[in-house]
Amino acid sequence: QQPVQSPQAVILREGEDAVINCSSSKALYSVHWYRQKHGEAPVFLMILLKGGEQKGHEKISASFNEKKQQSSLYLTASQLSYSGTYFCGTETVGDFNKFYFGSGTKLNVKP
Amino acid sequence: NAGVTQTPKFRVLKTGQSMTLLCAQDMNHEYMYWYRQDPGMGLRLIHYSVGEGTTAKGEVPDGYNVSRLKKQNFLLGLESAAPSQTSVYFCASSYRPASRETQYFGPGTRLLVL
Repeated sequence: QQPVQSPQAVILREGEDAVINCSSSKALYSVHWYRQKHGEAPVFLMILLKGGEQKGHEKISASFNEKKQQSSLYLTASQLSYSGTYFCGTETVGDFNKFYFGSGTKLNVKP
Repeated sequence: NAGVTQTPKFRVLKTGQSMTLLCAQDMNHEYMYWYRQDPGMGLRLIHYSVGEGTTAKGEVPDGYNVSRLKKQNFLLGLESAAPSQTSVYFCASSYRPASRETQYFGPGTRLLVL
């Protein structure tokens, strides 16, 4: 039930772009994106709902392809503060209230 | 507003010992969740609650019990700790179901079972 994230790790230079993907084998109702810094709790970035539009937050945006059960997180003009591990969390249709997280994508932004 | 707090922050147990982790939220949230996070992995749902007096099993419930006697508190119990339960435990809460809005996470409890 856990979604699959790719890539597992990304190294960027400040100002470069990155895309993180999240896919599920089951029909999705919602996809959440979180960022977690080492030793800290996950911090919410955004939610995408089935039938909803693409969301954006400053230079971070995401899309949700319902037909492919996939979501992608787009980080543009990355900043040092973007470093951390990004997790997608998914809720599948018919299995509400249960939340499954991917194994994470470790992003390292260097000066 | 303290948000979501967890007690204790860190604990070392011996195999077979029991303990209770406390999660408290002051946001009047209906939904509360317990997750575990193992090194290099994502969070896995242990148990959750959709309101006071209710609990339900998540993805990895074996070896854990929970109670939600008060709306603001969600307790996670380990009756007989095992080394496989060494992990970081996160509690989260939300006003509506997680599918519709963010979950607010506590700072985590690091548990080491020897």
